[in-house]
Amino acid sequence: EIVLTQSPATLSLSPGERATLSCRASQSVSWYLAWYQQKPAQAPRLLIYDASNRAAGIPARFSGSGSGTDFTLTISSLEPEDFAVYYCQQRRSWPLTFGQGTRLEI
Amino acid sequence: EVHLVESGGGLVQPGGSLRLSCAASGFTFSSHWMHWVRQAPGKGLVWVSHINTDGSSTNYADSVKGRFTISRDNAKNTLYLQMNSLRAEDTAVYYCARDLKVTNWFDPWGQGTLVTVSS
Repeated sequence: EIVLTQSPATLSLSPGERATLSCRASQSVSWYLAWYQQKPAQAPRLLIYDASNRAAGIPARFSGSGSGTDFTLTISSLEPEDFAVYYCQQRRSWPLTFGQGTRLEI
Repeated sequence: EVHLVESGGGLVQPGGSLRLSCAASGFTFSSHWMHWVRQAPGKGLVWVSHINTDGSSTNYADSVKGRFTISRDNAKNTLYLQMNSLRAEDTAVYYCARDLKVTNWFDPWGQGTLVTVSS
């Protein structure tokens, strides 16, 4: 099973600042990594897939990068609605696995 | 607009069974793989199961293999999860999710249904 480790566990920033979230895989997942956003009492939403492709309707301030074992989600300038929990997920092999999440707080 | 609506959750005793349903609309259900993902209270996301378009291929997390069965009825645009031999650790919100174009990415997700396993 591929283990995904996200860091930091919690990130405290202010609106307008840049956020950088990390996801490290226990073995190479090539570019088969996605990022999801989950707000309280809501279902997760796909943000980025295949490491760097924005999903439909996702603002350009969200970007993803990386390949192999190290990946980054960057939010260029935080909006109030961006404060949420972010998860990475790999599809390189079964079982599909998620990271433990990074909480982005004000 | 794509809609996924889960139902069937509730309180069940350890060892009991429950069947979850996910009603799909707004897209061609029979053309998409589907998944179940769960989230224990206050915890992270855990993938549970996958099914291909015609139900001929399925995959499961080790933690549910042999106890849970995923299935689908394309005529009814509905996904199912039959859960048997339930344990306390199966307590979670269960989400159904559409697969993004045969990729194993989840987009979108339903609103979830809560399953509580307790005596």
